[in-house]
Amino acid sequence: AQTVTQSQPEMSVQEAETVTLSCTYDTSESNYYLFWYKQPPSRQMILVIRQEAYKQQNATENRFSVNFQKAAKSFSLKISDSQLGDTAMYFCAFMKQGSGAGSYQLTFGKGTKLSVIP
Amino acid sequence: DARVTQTPRDKVTEMGQEVTMRCQPILGHNTVFWYRQTMMQGLELLAYFRNRAPLDDSGMPKDRFSAEMPDATLATLKIQPSEPRDSAVYFCASGLGMSRGETQYFGPGTRLLVL
Repeated sequence: AQTVTQSQPEMSVQEAETVTLSCTYDTSESNYYLFWYKQPPSRQMILVIRQEAYKQQNATENRFSVNFQKAAKSFSLKISDSQLGDTAMYFCAFMKQGSGAGSYQLTFGKGTKLSVIP
Repeated sequence: DARVTQTPRDKVTEMGQEVTMRCQPILGHNTVFWYRQTMMQGLELLAYFRNRAPLDDSGMPKDRFSAEMPDATLATLKIQPSEPRDSAVYFCASGLGMSRGETQYFGPGTRLLVL
C-alpha cells in the first residue's frame, strides 16, 4: 500500500515571498503519478500541478513548480510570488500506474494549511 | 466552464435517517469517484465507477452505504441508516477515463452532519 506524508501541518508566508511545501511518499511501484491539490475555504478541490514519475523534468505551472526527487521519494511544491488567494489547504496525492486494483485511486496526504500574510 | 456539481451542499440530519447525495460529472467523463474527508482520516476513496459500472467499492461500509450511477449524468451515494460517525465532507470527482494517471476533477462536496 502507498502512503503519503506531509510533515508540515501549517505554514505561513508573506505576500510576494516564496514558500515550499514538503511531501514524501512510500511505494514499491516504479511508475506512478503525483499531484498537488489546493482546497481553499470554499472547499473546492483544485488541481495545482501534476507530475509523471517517468519524467525527470520537474513540472511547472506559472508560479507553481515541483522538486521531484524519485530516489528520495520526495515531491515538494514551491509557490513563488505568493498571493493572498493562495491561502488554502494543500494536499499531496499519489496514483499508481497499471491496471490492477487501485490503479485509479488517489492516495492523499493529511494536508498543509498555508496562510499568506499581507 | 465544465464543472462537477454536487447536491446538496450541506445536509444536517438525525441518526437513523436516509441520506442521498447526488453528483453530476463533467459531460463526457466516464470515470466517477466518491471520496470522504474527515479530520481524523483525511481523504479516503469510497468507490469508483467506469462507464457507470462499479469497479471498486472496497472503501465503502457495505452494510449502510450504496453507490450507483443510474445514468451517465448522475451518480448517487446513499447512506441508510445514517450514524454520527458518517459526519464528513463527501466529494465526487470525475475523469475522462482515457489514460493512466489522468486528472480527477472534484466537485464542491457535500458537508454531512448526522446528529
